[in-house]
Amino acid sequence: DSGVTQTPKHLITATGQRVTLRCSPRSGDLSVYWYQQSLDQGLQFLIQYYNGEERAKGNILERFSAQQFPDLHSELNLSSLELGDSALYFCASSYNPGGQVVDEQYFGPGTRLTVT
Amino acid sequence: DQQVKQNSPSLSVQEGRISILNCDYTNSMFDYFLWYKKYPAEGPTFLISISSIKDKNEDGRFTVFLNKSAKHLSLHIVPSQPGDSAVYFCAASNGGATNKLIFGTGTLLAVQP
Repeated sequence: DSGVTQTPKHLITATGQRVTLRCSPRSGDLSVYWYQQSLDQGLQFLIQYYNGEERAKGNILERFSAQQFPDLHSELNLSSLELGDSALYFCASSYNPGGQVVDEQYFGPGTRLTVT
Repeated sequence: DQQVKQNSPSLSVQEGRISILNCDYTNSMFDYFLWYKKYPAEGPTFLISISSIKDKNEDGRFTVFLNKSAKHLSLHIVPSQPGDSAVYFCAASNGGATNKLIFGTGTLLAVQP
């Protein structure tokens, strides 16, 4: 158990709909990262939040957005869903003091999103 | 542009033998590399890492080697055990303020009893 929790585990929805994925980081971790894993693909970095503020953006579509709340949990919002958005969405957390220190990221179990 | 590549989608080894998983990268700004293991229906689990100032890091049965001139790293597992069967992802970071990870596509390791 990594200490990172994600809900829900599975989500099935229709095209055009909007969903929210939730992540609670490990106790003490300030950074939350979101990754997408499509079929037969590696994990693609989407976005990072650090202590409530957006720190980095990757290949995140404009239809997707995220936020990190004062209690440090994070939500990833996916709207106007398309079939190609079907994927595993992972959240990871780390303490991440930034600068020259690189610390390991701990991953949650993921949310499997199926768009029909 | 795939900055981190794992060219072998799968690898099969006998229990007790050595498993060698390879990873190549293109971005010379990467200065930290990690290996993650992933079982089905679970999130990736951190295994071992190496800073670009080192060429080897060892943790029990797991050793990571880094060849900066060749932009290549490898993970050695000795001896391999059936419980090591999983997908292994190589990841790289250029540190700084974000520490975001760039992942390879993974190698499925099967350790045969």
